[in-house]
Amino acid sequence: DAGVTQSPTHLIKTRGQHVTLRCSPISGHKSVSWYQQVLGQGPQFIFQYYEKEERGRGNFPDRFSARQFPNYSSELNVNALLLGDSALYLCASAGGDYGYTFGSGTRLTVV
Amino acid sequence: QKEVEQNSGPLSVPEGAIASLNCTYSDRVSQSFFWYRQYSGKSPELIMSIYSNGDKEDGRFTAQLNKASQYVSLLIRDSQPSDSATYLCAVGRGSYIPTFGRGTSLIVHP
Repeated sequence: DAGVTQSPTHLIKTRGQHVTLRCSPISGHKSVSWYQQVLGQGPQFIFQYYEKEERGRGNFPDRFSARQFPNYSSELNVNALLLGDSALYLCASAGGDYGYTFGSGTRLTVV
Repeated sequence: QKEVEQNSGPLSVPEGAIASLNCTYSDRVSQSFFWYRQYSGKSPELIMSIYSNGDKEDGRFTAQLNKASQYVSLLIRDSQPSDSATYLCAVGRGSYIPTFGRGTSLIVHP
């Protein structure tokens, strides 16, 4: 069984640009969450989607948005990129009572 | 006030020793507690989950939960150099949106 898959693996963008990150959850999982992890910190919650509806939003500006598709895959969009948006972006899927399984992440560098 | 607190470390232990990692949380109605291991440059990997007070053992790992004290810990017995990583504590409610601590760096030296 495939785990949580994220694409792309690495990305370099210029300040002010827009970026779209993609995630496919584990088969059968209907919940997808996005986290941002800055070096030396724990993952910070950005969004959670369940059955294509937003179930939670962390303390991030409106430049961050997300959506979930009928096949439960998800996109995270970030507009007007800032240098401070450079981070590892993690997608996690959850099913049942066993906590989150993370994908390998997307390393975003904003220059 | 941070919701999930961990000592950032590093915690250094000799090979074969017991490593003890600690975590406190502020939300009294938390129901689910997780420990993740994260190697440098990699994504977090779930190693233990615990939901009830007491101990839960899985191989060399033991998670301990005390809800009255709002405290959860992870013990690693017979520590190996391959256990060297950052250990993240995550605490959540039933909505599956865990809050993570900043992690404790563990170094197991030969």
